Amino acid sequence: EPEVTQTPSHQVTQMGQEVILRCVPISNHLYFYWYRQILGQKVEFLVSFYNNEISEKSEIFDDQFSVERPDGSNFTLKIRSTKLEDSAMYFCASSAAKTTDTQYFGPGTRLTVL
Amino acid sequence: GDSVTQMEGPVTLSEEACLTINCTYTATGYPSLFWYVQYPGEGLQLLLKATKADDKGSNKGFEATYRKETTSFHLEKGSVQVSDSAVYFCALSKGLGLTFGGGTRLMVKP
Repeated sequence: EPEVTQTPSHQVTQMGQEVILRCVPISNHLYFYWYRQILGQKVEFLVSFYNNEISEKSEIFDDQFSVERPDGSNFTLKIRSTKLEDSAMYFCASSAAKTTDTQYFGPGTRLTVL
Repeated sequence: GDSVTQMEGPVTLSEEACLTINCTYTATGYPSLFWYVQYPGEGLQLLLKATKADDKGSNKGFEATYRKETTSFHLEKGSVQVSDSAVYFCALSKGLGLTFGGGTRLMVKP
């Protein structure tokens, strides 16, 4: 069964450094998403991406975040200057269509900012 | 804004016991409702969904009914197994992004 993959599984970085989290969505899916879960808190929506542009973003997704689909398979989340409070589990998801269609999640990348 | 509230865990049950995990939501309009499950070390997987009032979603013996009058989407299973031990998330969507509840950890003992 096709699945969403994410790399790395764990990323440790120093405060102020840039990080790129990588995701390979399911190949025939058209919509891509990033979510995050700070330890002990809810899973929060960050951004959705369709047709090479952002479709929707939450208030969390400020100027320090960006997303890109650099080629036909990868979908990346970049954090320009990491802060301690960016430490969280980041989940990528993809779906064939929007709204009621199933979103398939990757296993997550745990980001630790020191 | 939109929000989802679900019962806090952990919920500990013996095998073959009945399960109910409560979920209520606050949203304008007509959201779609979902239950996701996360097994240890894995990503979130869709368990079931309902897209309009009175719809019942079901999968793997789990059921949930979209109740607009009570703004609820409670998850039920008649007889749980040890393999059902996981974290369960209730969620809603009106557009693209999902709004999640806090998650409920279920532990089933043999």
